[in-house]
Amino acid sequence: EIVLTQSPDFQSVTPKEKVTITCRASQSIGSNLHWYQQKAGQSPKLLIQYASQSLSGVPSRFSGSGSGTDFTLTISSLEAEDAATYYCHQSSSLRGTFGGGTKVEIK
Amino acid sequence: EVQLLESGGGLVQPGGSLKLTCAASGFTFSSYGMRWVRQAPGKGLEWLSVITGNGATTYYADSVKGRFTISRDNSKKTLYLQMNSLRAGDTAVYYCVKGGGGWKDAFDYWGQGTLVTVSS
Repeated sequence: EIVLTQSPDFQSVTPKEKVTITCRASQSIGSNLHWYQQKAGQSPKLLIQYASQSLSGVPSRFSGSGSGTDFTLTISSLEAEDAATYYCHQSSSLRGTFGGGTKVEIK
Repeated sequence: EVQLLESGGGLVQPGGSLKLTCAASGFTFSSYGMRWVRQAPGKGLEWLSVITGNGATTYYADSVKGRFTISRDNSKKTLYLQMNSLRAGDTAVYYCVKGGGGWKDAFDYWGQGTLVTVSS
């Protein structure tokens, strides 16, 4: 099983600050890494696919980078509505796996 | 508009069974692989199972292999998860999830989830 390790587990951030979340895979997964946002009481929502591909309707302040084993989700300027838990997900193996999540709180 | 509507959750005793249903609409159901993902209370996401568009191939997480069975009825645009030998650790919100057209695609649509509670 491919294990995804996210860091940090929790981050308290001031609005307009930059947020960086990392996801490390236990083996190379190419670019088969996706990011989701889950707000309290809601289902997860796809933010970034294939490590860095933006999606229609997702604010441009969200971006992704990386390949192989190390990946990053960046929120360039945090807004209050970005309070959520963020998960990475690998689809390289037949049995997908998720990272443990990073909770972002607004100070 | 893509919609995924889960049902069938509830309270079940340890060792019991439950069958979840996901009614899909807004897309060509038979053309897409479908998954189940769960989330225990206050915990992260756990990938459970996938079934190909034609239903011929399935895969399971080790945690549920041999106890859960994923299936689909393309004529009814419905996905199922038969859960047997349920344990307290299976308590979670269960999400029906649509993937993109490719095997490695991201999960682009999620249902609202249905809560399964395993307790005596």
